[in-house]
Amino acid sequence: DTEVTQTPKHLVMGMTNKKSLKCEQHMGHRAMYWYKQKAKKPPELMFVYSYEKLSINESVPSRFSPECPNSSLLNLHLHALQPEDSALYLCASSQERSIIGDYGYTFGSGTRLTVV
Amino acid sequence: GESVGLHLPTLSVQEGDNSIINCAYSNSASDYFIWYKQESGKGPQFIIDIRSNMDKRQGQRVTVLLNKTVKHLSLQIAATQPGDSAVYFCAENLWGNTPLVFGKGTRLSVIA
Repeated sequence: DTEVTQTPKHLVMGMTNKKSLKCEQHMGHRAMYWYKQKAKKPPELMFVYSYEKLSINESVPSRFSPECPNSSLLNLHLHALQPEDSALYLCASSQERSIIGDYGYTFGSGTRLTVV
Repeated sequence: GESVGLHLPTLSVQEGDNSIINCAYSNSASDYFIWYKQESGKGPQFIIDIRSNMDKRQGQRVTVLLNKTVKHLSLQIAATQPGDSAVYFCAENLWGNTPLVFGKGTRLSVIA
């Protein structure tokens, strides 16, 4: 399995709703990432998990709450979002870099989130 | 030709021609670079990578050139096909497991 699977593919939520985005990989990658991508813009890093521990939070508002239940799963819990949070949310995973080889992130297809 | 829109530069090429997509990266200490292709409705897809100790690397129909002096990266696509139409992003990384940082992106439009 060489894929990162994200669910749901599309999500419409109200500003008072609570929802979760899910991400799964079975490549044995120990680093997992959440990126946010607005239209016509590059992906912007939100969170990094390394060995199931949060290692980077790019000053993301607390209405976004990441969780890594195990080495294969990554969730992003959403609560009280704003319309400007509407975007494509991408999950990625990677091996750690080593002298032997470099790595590229494997991305999922993303969740298209619309906040109304 | 190439045009710069409000947010995303666009490169239009005839099918069968070669394409060159350019990227200026930001951190002179970055030592690893990747080109990604992103089609509409999909996540970025790895195309080719290069380490900073190289200045050229070739793949199938693609070549990446790295000029560290001016912090410039380019992606050359030979015999461009309609399926190459997508947005292309360069990304840079620094040893130490810092995350990938993406460049602005270029939309490639192939004219049949």
